[in-house]
Amino acid sequence: QQKVQQSPESLIVPEGGMASLNCTFSDRNSQYFWWYRQHSGEGPKALMSIFSNGDKKEGRFTAHLNKASLYVSLHIKDSQPSDSALYFCAVRRNTGGADRLTFGKGTQLIIQP
Amino acid sequence: GGIITQTPKFLIGQEGQKLTLKCQQNFNHDTMYWYRQDSGKGLRLIYYSITENDLQKGDLSEGYDASREKKSSFSLTVTSAQKNEMAVFLCASSPGQYAEQFFGPGTRLTVL
Repeated sequence: QQKVQQSPESLIVPEGGMASLNCTFSDRNSQYFWWYRQHSGEGPKALMSIFSNGDKKEGRFTAHLNKASLYVSLHIKDSQPSDSALYFCAVRRNTGGADRLTFGKGTQLIIQP
Repeated sequence: GGIITQTPKFLIGQEGQKLTLKCQQNFNHDTMYWYRQDSGKGLRLIYYSITENDLQKGDLSEGYDASREKKSSFSLTVTSAQKNEMAVFLCASSPGQYAEQFFGPGTRLTVL
């Protein structure tokens, strides 16, 4: 069964700094990966997806994927207080039909003004 | 844009009670999901439905029933509430494979 592990559990970054969040997965056949963000009291919201090895940049957010190393990461440049949230890595299962995602336990990011 | 509405926002029940959580979406999405979020454990899939009247079990379906009578609504029933299942229950919908899942704000369940 797919295992998705995130590190660190919590991270404090000064405003304007770079936040780096890590995620490892166990199924070598995994092909599609998501990063979701959840602000307190709200449901998670998708930030970005990645399915090719390498980097994908969307604004201040860059996702990196290395399937051979079973590793995906998210980097947030010029961090803002509004980036303070719980970040989840999610991996799509190759089951056909509807998307079934396996979520990690999350990284709590705190941006200090 | 669309929205996902979950009712109630807070649900308090007694141990052993049958409780129902409701979810409505106006995205016109085919697929809907129910997740449970425990503190420190991420999101775990309870049930999902790829179309009206379809139901598929997730990883955590024991102790729950679900119902998808209309495309826009998906209900979850806790068949016998237990104190160890106090959590936030999240509903989501998606237009199809490889697409973003859109989440509602959640229902927080407390069992006394």
